[in-house]
Amino acid sequence: GAVVSQHPSRVICKSGTSVKIECRSLDFQATTMFWYRQFPKQSLMLMATSNEGSKATYEQGVEKDKFLINHASLTLSTLTVTSAHPEDSSFYICSAIDPGSSGGGSSYNEQFFGPGTRLTVL
Amino acid sequence: AQSVTQLDSQVPVFEEAPVELRCNYSSSVSVYLFWYVQYPNQGLQLLLKYLSGSTLVKGINGFEAEFNKSQTSFHLRKPSVHISDTAEYFCAVQFITGTASKLTFGTGTRLQVTL
Repeated sequence: GAVVSQHPSRVICKSGTSVKIECRSLDFQATTMFWYRQFPKQSLMLMATSNEGSKATYEQGVEKDKFLINHASLTLSTLTVTSAHPEDSSFYICSAIDPGSSGGGSSYNEQFFGPGTRLTVL
Repeated sequence: AQSVTQLDSQVPVFEEAPVELRCNYSSSVSVYLFWYVQYPNQGLQLLLKYLSGSTLVKGINGFEAEFNKSQTSFHLRKPSVHISDTAEYFCAVQFITGTASKLTFGTGTRLQVTL
């Protein structure tokens, strides 16, 4: 099956610094990737949709200038948390759509999830 | 309004017992339905999905789910659980609106299997 990787798996940083998280589709080209945030013992909340070669689409309430998303190639999307603060500490998960996995009609393409990145801001 | 509800935050069960994890949704459009499993500090793994056709869907690890359109439910079942099934389970819905394949997740159910 399709594989999505994230790097790093875990990062600890000081308050005020910026952190970059990478999401890669290893064996397929992903025109669309998604970024989620998951607080402890809570569900995944969609932050933004990342489309290759265009600006990301952010969900309501997500600060565009704080969470910078770049989808520069068909296999890589990056999330940069700028001027991180302790409240940004969370588990960040990306997913990628494999356009070759369609089924049930043209509106379905399977999402494959990365293993997640644990961000701790001190 | 479009929403996904998992009423049970935790489900304790003994090994080899059957289990059902409940999922209900609310939608004015057609939906695709999914169940994912998440082990600690890991990403999500797809257990099964309903796109169309037979309402009884079989997935990996012995799990199955049944789509009930009239009750807007998609409950997950397993006839005999193992210790290794202990994990967080998320129901997810894709509301078919013609836009990107966004998923809306339920709040999750913690399945705790004990001896």
